[in-house]
Amino acid sequence: AQSVAQPEDQVNVAEGNPLTVKCTYSVSGNPYLFWYVQYPNRGLQFLLKYITGDNLVKGSYGFEAEFNKSQTSFHLKKPSALVSDSALYFCAVSPFIQTGANNLFFGTGTRLTVIP
Amino acid sequence: DSGVTQTPKHLITATGQRVTLRCSPRSGDLSVYWYQQSLDQGLQFLIQYYNGEERAKGNILERFSAQQFPDLHSELNLSSLELGDSALYFCASSVESIGTDTQYFGPGTRLTVL
Repeated sequence: AQSVAQPEDQVNVAEGNPLTVKCTYSVSGNPYLFWYVQYPNRGLQFLLKYITGDNLVKGSYGFEAEFNKSQTSFHLKKPSALVSDSALYFCAVSPFIQTGANNLFFGTGTRLTVIP
Repeated sequence: DSGVTQTPKHLITATGQRVTLRCSPRSGDLSVYWYQQSLDQGLQFLIQYYNGEERAKGNILERFSAQQFPDLHSELNLSSLELGDSALYFCASSVESIGTDTQYFGPGTRLTVL
């Protein structure tokens, strides 16, 4: 079965400091992994995805994520946090390779608060 | 703005009633997905349509149904509503139906069942 775990419900970071939001996955074979962000009263916005190739994926708004197959992780990072980055972040995995279905399985979300 | 539109934004109704949520995908996208977001269940996949045909089904209740029309817009029908159906319902769309596709989400419909 495919799943992702976000071990931290809440992450606090000071403005200007680097941030990391953690995600681990459980899927047989090679995964397709995604990060989305949700601002209050808004839909989910796509940040980046890992399909294959370079383990460091660059995305929108200065975010990047590092795919680590041995640790089955896909952590989201940003070198310098902004107050406007405060939001709810979701990691997701597609079971397409295993099942042929393209629905996403989401983690429980991590609330990021950037402190001015 | 993702290009995916959903109506209505808010819906308040009573138990036992039936409602219809509407979604228009991004121009050119053939796949439409429906997700439910609630406090206790998180974000859950309900159902996917691709070019008018049902492609995948998730944890969708029998009281819920969906369809995708020839113009590719989709509707999610929720009937015999219960208090527990109160949630945010998202529609997403993608170009095709393969795992590398990016799904773009609409702003959601917030359903409140009283």
